[in-house]
Amino acid sequence: AQSVAQPEDQVNVAEGNPLTVKCTYSVSGNPYLFWYVQYPNRGLQFLLKYITGDNLVKGSYGFEAEFNKSQTSFHLKKPSALVSDSALYFCAVSPLYNFNKFYFGSGTKLNVKP
Amino acid sequence: NAGVTQTPKFQVLKTGQSMTLQCAQDMNHEYMSWYRQDPGMGLRLIHYSVGAGITDQGEVPNGYNVSRSTTEDFPLRLLSAAPSQTSVYFCASSRGEISSYEQYFGPGTRLTVT
Repeated sequence: AQSVAQPEDQVNVAEGNPLTVKCTYSVSGNPYLFWYVQYPNRGLQFLLKYITGDNLVKGSYGFEAEFNKSQTSFHLKKPSALVSDSALYFCAVSPLYNFNKFYFGSGTKLNVKP
Repeated sequence: NAGVTQTPKFQVLKTGQSMTLQCAQDMNHEYMSWYRQDPGMGLRLIHYSVGAGITDQGEVPNGYNVSRSTTEDFPLRLLSAAPSQTSVYFCASSRGEISSYEQYFGPGTRLTVT
């Protein structure tokens, strides 16, 4: 069975500090990996994706994510958090055997305090 | 472009009633999908379509029907609503395979079944 785990329901960080939102996955083969963000009462917005190549991928709004195959992880990072980064973050995977299916994690609420 | 639009924004149904959630996109995207979002469970794929006339089941298809007669529209039908279908529903579209292209999400429909 395919699964995506986001072990932290909530992450609190002070503005200006680095942030990490964790994601691990259990999917057959090497999946495609994604991060999406959801602001209150809005739909999800794409942040970044890993398909192949460099393990560190850069995305929108200064976010980046590091793919670690041995640990089956895809953690989201940002060197300096902004209050406006406060939102709900979702990790998602698309298995190689079906590129049209998506499996989402349960989400992590990021709180950035001034 | 309006992007992905969903109607209604809110809906209350009684058990056993039927209804259709509307979804439309004006980006000429081939791929469209429906998700439900439940607290602590992230988003789960209900049905998806890779083009007009082609639909397939996702992770949680039971109790829902879809059809895709045009590229623009992808309605989701609840034939006999149940309290377990209380959720927030999101429609999304993508230019092609979601592993290759980002998904664009609508603002969501909040459904309550009593």
